[in-house]
Amino acid sequence: LAKTTQPISMDSYEGQEVNITCSHNNIATNDYITWYQQFPSQGPRFIIQGYKTKVTNEVASLFIPADRKSSTLSLPRVSLSDTAVYYCLVGDFLSTSGTYKYIFGTGTRLKVLA
Amino acid sequence: DSGVTQTPKHLITATGQRVTLRCSPRSGDLSVYWYQQSLDQGLQFLIQYYNGEERAKGNILERFSAQQFPDLHSELNLSSLELGDSALYFCASSARQGRGTQYFGPGTRLTVL
Repeated sequence: LAKTTQPISMDSYEGQEVNITCSHNNIATNDYITWYQQFPSQGPRFIIQGYKTKVTNEVASLFIPADRKSSTLSLPRVSLSDTAVYYCLVGDFLSTSGTYKYIFGTGTRLKVLA
Repeated sequence: DSGVTQTPKHLITATGQRVTLRCSPRSGDLSVYWYQQSLDQGLQFLIQYYNGEERAKGNILERFSAQQFPDLHSELNLSSLELGDSALYFCASSARQGRGTQYFGPGTRLTVL
């Protein structure tokens, strides 16, 4: 059974860069890695998605090594409003059963301090 | 606003009852996904439909079922409810069958008393 793990929590100060890593040891060969931000009682909000190497958009960067067994979300210059829980999402293909499912990481609670 | 709508926002019911949660995907999206989020289990994938057909199945209980209609909206039916079914239920949609970006709705909070 695939496991997708993240650090439980992180603290950072405003203006610093934050890196959050997700380990996904059984990601499906052709699936993307997606990161979400979630505030209490709200739906996960899309941040960034990638397949390999590095992807950057206006809010974050995503680093994916060649083996794709992990990924790192990088948030540049965080602010207080970035305090939230961050999740990775990957697809997992079970070759023994031919079934496909989506697995969220365990979530990282980021607290940004003034 | 992701463009995905879910109704109702809140639902309170009793054990043994049956409820239906509804989801309307973003305009043009053909895939719908259902997830359950509880405090002790995190975000768990339940099931995915693509253009009316089931495409992937996760940890969905036999008491739960879902379907996607020709207009692409989806319903998640939860029956014989137990206290442990209390959770947030999220719907997401994507344009493609899989491996694309999923956009999440605001969720339905189910409380079973």
